[in-house]
Amino acid sequence: DQQVKQNSPSLSVQEGRISILNCDYTNSMFDYFLWYKKYPAEGPTFLISISSIKDKNEDGRFTVFLNKSAKHLSLHIVPSQPGDSAVYFCAASYTSGTYKYIFGTGTRLKVLA
Amino acid sequence: ETGVTQSPTHLIKTRGQQVTLRCSSQSGHNTVSWYQQALGQGPQFIFQYYREEENGRGNFPPRFSGLQFPNYSSELNVNALELDDSALYLCASSASQMETQYFGPGTRLLVL
Repeated sequence: DQQVKQNSPSLSVQEGRISILNCDYTNSMFDYFLWYKKYPAEGPTFLISISSIKDKNEDGRFTVFLNKSAKHLSLHIVPSQPGDSAVYFCAASYTSGTYKYIFGTGTRLKVLA
Repeated sequence: ETGVTQSPTHLIKTRGQQVTLRCSSQSGHNTVSWYQQALGQGPQFIFQYYREEENGRGNFPPRFSGLQFPNYSSELNVNALELDDSALYLCASSASQMETQYFGPGTRLLVL
């Protein structure tokens, strides 16, 4: 049972435009969400996170939005740059028990120059 | 500040063999989590160690075992290797159980 879903395996965006990556989850107990970026031959790099008590968190060009009623989060990258080309994973966790992360299957973003 | 490091970077084993993967956590981090990432999938949680004790386990059989040492570095051991164990094994460390996890570069294991 895939509790965290990224339904778009890939996305292409023109340099300078907005990239929007989406993630859906099924477990209403999740209360902390994260986005990681992964380049080939490297481990995932932490980008940004959001607690379930918030609906938006911003860090520079990256903004994460959380819609708890829809069990949906999105990552906005503005403006997109060629160096943003990577696989993006969303992850979710809950603060009871083991603080493990449940990952989606990833979305490959390609930013075209 | 040194980040999370893992060794070896690549490994080839045959079915039935045993393997040990190593992870050095980031300075000041006392929690290590291990994940398996199969091709085309997201990382899947194997287990977590906090101050040398196992602190939770994912849906992996007992032939996957681990250790955490007093300096908070960690090992992942896999016995009786199967072909499906071929994957990227990721280690992540965090300042405590509930802090953000930071990943190492991974060890790519191929089982023939």
